[in-house]
Amino acid sequence: AQTVTQSQPEMSVQEAETVTLSCTYDTSESDYYLFWYKQPPSRQMILVIRQEAYKQQNATENRFSVNFQKAAKSFSLKISDSQLGDAAMYFCAYRSPEWGGGADGLTFGKGTHLIIQP
Amino acid sequence: DAGVIQSPRHEVTEMGQEVTLRCKPISGHDYLFWYRQTMMRGLELLIYFNNNVPIDDSGMPEDRFSAKMPNASFSTLKIQPSEPRDSAVYFCASSLVRRTSDHNEQFFGPGTRLTVL
Repeated sequence: AQTVTQSQPEMSVQEAETVTLSCTYDTSESDYYLFWYKQPPSRQMILVIRQEAYKQQNATENRFSVNFQKAAKSFSLKISDSQLGDAAMYFCAYRSPEWGGGADGLTFGKGTHLIIQP
Repeated sequence: DAGVIQSPRHEVTEMGQEVTLRCKPISGHDYLFWYRQTMMRGLELLIYFNNNVPIDDSGMPEDRFSAKMPNASFSTLKIQPSEPRDSAVYFCASSLVRRTSDHNEQFFGPGTRLTVL
């Protein structure tokens, strides 16, 4: 079974600064998908960014980018120019590839609470 | 599309009562997932369906939990009898899986906060 570890329960950053959230995972699969989800106080789960393991290029979405290190099984999220609206819980998630037998559900880390200091 | 719809948004019940949570997936999606979120255990997959058929229910905690998907637009998660330790936020998510797609994103509903007294 796959596991996802987020070692930072809480992070704090000044508005407009850059912050990096860490995520490591354990798997024996060679192909898979990784995601970062944001959960604001409204508790809605919002997809921030995704990465396919077979792609070497790191995914980017505007101010959000990832550092995907497949050999190290590391998948960190970098948020540039932090904004007050970025304050939320951030969850790292893993999913097996479809050809593994089905669209398996997501395996989540425990989350990192991101605080934005004005 | 309105997104994934869950009802009720909040449910407060007493121990021993039956609880039914409802979910309407995004139209056209062929996968539906039920997750539970607690402070202690985080987000856990309970069960998921493909084309209304349960595929993996290994995450369902006990026989008190059951889930059904009678048609493509409706699913229920039932707890009978409920216990205080079932208090959590329950999420439903849906996705459209295609072998040629790289993404197959799961779209989450707003969740149901269940409190069992």
